[in-house]
Amino acid sequence: SQQGEEDPQALSIQEGENATMNCSYKTSINNLQWYRQNSGRGLVHLILIRSNEREKHSGRLRVTLDTSKKSSSLLITASRAADTASYFCATGSYGQNFVFGPGTRLSVLP
Amino acid sequence: DAGVIQSPRHEVTEMGQEVTLRCKPISGHNSLFWYRQTMMRGLELLIYFNNNVPIDDSGMPEDRFSAKMPNASFSTLKIQPSEPRDSAVYFCASSSSSGREETQYFGPGTRLLVL
Repeated sequence: SQQGEEDPQALSIQEGENATMNCSYKTSINNLQWYRQNSGRGLVHLILIRSNEREKHSGRLRVTLDTSKKSSSLLITASRAADTASYFCATGSYGQNFVFGPGTRLSVLP
Repeated sequence: DAGVIQSPRHEVTEMGQEVTLRCKPISGHNSLFWYRQTMMRGLELLIYFNNNVPIDDSGMPEDRFSAKMPNASFSTLKIQPSEPRDSAVYFCASSSSSGREETQYFGPGTRLLVL
């Protein structure tokens, strides 16, 4: 099965700064997805990028995908305290379960 | 839409007791997933249903765990007998796609504590 591995494990920034987290994976994929989990809650889907796409935007989120390096990055611009959460990537391939990485814990300080 | 509904939200039980977790997927979704989340092991997929049929149960830890989906709007995950190491947060997720690689929508989870 596929596995995404997020980096860094933890990130602490000031409100208003940008936050960048990365995801690496091992084999070919159909898509890569980013999810957010607030403390004590379920995961919330943020964005899906397909293997034939290089960049995707959604509000303050920007995701890039480099299939040659088997990596993706999630950029959150102008971060807010409400962005404090764990962020997970998951890689999807047809017929295979996707496996979540350990996540990046983001803390946005007011 | 109400989203994925799970019950109970919290469960505290004693070792050896039977535990039943319930899930109502989003209406119209035909794929359902059960996950377990712990600090040590992260998020693990336990079982995946498509059109009410179990497709992949390779993640089910052992025979004490069983899952059913009698219809498109209801699924259960049962642990019998429960053990302290089963303590975790159990999530149910559903998807409108038959492909397990597409977007999943998660419920709020059931926090299980086995004493």
